[in-house]
Amino acid sequence: QSALTQPPSVSGALGQRVTISCTGSSSNIGAGYDGHWYQQFPGTSPKFIMYGNGNRPSGVPDRFSASKSGTSASLVITGLQAEDEADYYCQSYDSKLSGWVFGGGTRLTVL
Amino acid sequence: EVQLVESGGGLVQPGGSLRLSCAASGFTFNNYWMNWVRQAPNKGLEWVASVKQDGSEMYYVDSVKGRFTISRDNAMNSVYLQMSRLRVEDTAVYYCARGGTPYWGQGTLVTVSS
Repeated sequence: QSALTQPPSVSGALGQRVTISCTGSSSNIGAGYDGHWYQQFPGTSPKFIMYGNGNRPSGVPDRFSASKSGTSASLVITGLQAEDEADYYCQSYDSKLSGWVFGGGTRLTVL
Repeated sequence: EVQLVESGGGLVQPGGSLRLSCAASGFTFNNYWMNWVRQAPNKGLEWVASVKQDGSEMYYVDSVKGRFTISRDNAMNSVYLQMSRLRVEDTAVYYCARGGTPYWGQGTLVTVSS
């Protein structure tokens, strides 16, 4: 069981908006630690697409955004494209574990 | 450009040992915590271990405590994961990852099987 909870799958039509939630606890997201989001395609390593308080690394389109509230974080993708179909993971730091925690991952399907 | 390159993976029998290495470049290595993260086949991501900038603090996920040791050599810009008493369930791709802005390497596959 992952320390952060994500829906196993989400889907959306081309051009639509989807939200992937990530629920943590008072020892990680709720404690104010940064949340990061990763995108992973089959057979490749995870690549961070959002880090800290909604920062996007260069090359990531502004269709991707992130927010945080209380013990939860969210990744929002607007104007869905076929190339967005991938697995998405959230990650934070946990003070009880003194280490990183991850969500179980969400498979995004673009219809 | 930040680069992390892992090496040392391979096939090992249960109970065996393996040492993973990660060579870092493109940033001031001794300014950052370094981490190992693994991903078992068709599974999610799992944090394994972290080491502080000066190597004075190390932390581990419970399942590897007493079996794995993380260390770093700031002169060589490298971080290591010494794995012993390996189990079948340690089979995974192991990624080296930087703290702060989270850059990751491409991973190295460790297969524990008889």
